Amino acid sequence: DSGVTQTPKHLITATGQRVTLRCSPRSGDLSVYWYQQSLDQGLQFLIQYYNGEERAKGNILERFSAQQFPDLHSELNLSSLELGDSALYFCASSRTGQGGIQETQYFGPGTRLLVL
Amino acid sequence: SQKIEQNSEALNIQEGKTATLTCNYTNYSPAYLQWYRQDPGRGPVFLLLIRENEKEKRKERLKVTFDTTLKQSLFHITASQPADSATYLCALFGGNLIFGKGTKLSVKP
Repeated sequence: DSGVTQTPKHLITATGQRVTLRCSPRSGDLSVYWYQQSLDQGLQFLIQYYNGEERAKGNILERFSAQQFPDLHSELNLSSLELGDSALYFCASSRTGQGGIQETQYFGPGTRLLVL
Repeated sequence: SQKIEQNSEALNIQEGKTATLTCNYTNYSPAYLQWYRQDPGRGPVFLLLIRENEKEKRKERLKVTFDTTLKQSLFHITASQPADSATYLCALFGGNLIFGKGTKLSVKP
């Protein structure tokens, strides 16, 4: 158990809909990362938050947004969903998330999203 | 463009043998490289980190090498066991953590 929690575990929805994925980092970790994992693309970095502020952005679509709240939990919002958004979405956390520092990221169990 | 490649999608070996997984990268100069293990339907779990000035790192039956000239890291599992069966991901820091697609290792009894 990494100490990172994600809800829900599974999510089935229809195209065009909007969903919210939730993540609670390990106790004491200030940085949260979101990743998308699909069979053909592998694990893709989406976005990072550090202590409530956006720190880095990866291959995140404009239809997707995220935020980190004062209690450090984070939410990833996916809107106007398409079939291709079906994937595993992982959240990870680390102590500081400062670029270049050799920090380990601790991953949650993921949310499996299926868009029908 | 920047790329990180794990040469084999799948690797099958016999129990007790050494598994060797390869990670190559282009157009990066990473300060360090990490290896993760991922079991089906679960999040990746950190295994080892090796810095650019380290040639080799060991942890129990695991060994990682890092050749910045060849732009390659090798990940070895000695005396492999069926419980080692999983997908292994390499990752390097290029602004954010960039992951390879992974190599699925199957260790047969």
